[in-house]
Amino acid sequence: GAVVSQHPSWVICKSGTSVKIECRSLDFQATTMFWYRQFPKQSLMLMATSNEGSKATYEQGVEKDKFLINHASLTLSTLTVTSAHPEDSSFYICSVITPGQGAGETQYFGPGTRLLVL
Amino acid sequence: AQKITQTQPGMFVQEKEAVTLDCTYDTSDPSYGLFWYKQPSSGEMIFLIYQGSYDQQNATEGRYSLNFQKARKSANLVISASQLGDSAMYFCAMREGLTTGGGADGLTFGKGTHLIIQP
Repeated sequence: GAVVSQHPSWVICKSGTSVKIECRSLDFQATTMFWYRQFPKQSLMLMATSNEGSKATYEQGVEKDKFLINHASLTLSTLTVTSAHPEDSSFYICSVITPGQGAGETQYFGPGTRLLVL
Repeated sequence: AQKITQTQPGMFVQEKEAVTLDCTYDTSDPSYGLFWYKQPSSGEMIFLIYQGSYDQQNATEGRYSLNFQKARKSANLVISASQLGDSAMYFCAMREGLTTGGGADGLTFGKGTHLIIQP
């Protein structure tokens, strides 16, 4: 499977600051990456689809001006949480798709980034 | 309506026993994929097994197998000979509208099942 890294793994910031999270596909060129958010003891929720060379597609209810996504290369997507507030504290995790047999694509996830906004 | 339903919030199983984690799904799309992921306390999402809607046979990967009952819209995960290291959260997920060579959509996850293997 694909190897995906995220940086940082942990971040603590003050309310009102911006935080950038990087997602790298280490062994696979990913034209599409996904960003998910997971609140404690809850499931993963898709936030947005990151497309290399074009604008990201956001899920309903996700503020595109607050969660800026940049997919500048085939191996790197960044998520910037702008003017972070305590309610943005969550586990942010990215994934890449690798092609499989027929429609058997598989998503591989990064290790995630835990954000705590004070 | 929820697209993915996992009815077991938590399960306790004795080591070495087989365990079945339930998952039902809801879609009107004829082309879809079903996934199972394991999430240990570290938070990483570990891919376990995949089943495509057109696959004729149930998927198997080592100790993991997927009991796919298309008419019932059920995709239960079976773990044989459970081990202590299997203790984790398990998520069932679906991607709809699959097309060969494209159609990249994100996954919809169920709420998960917390599996605890007891010695």
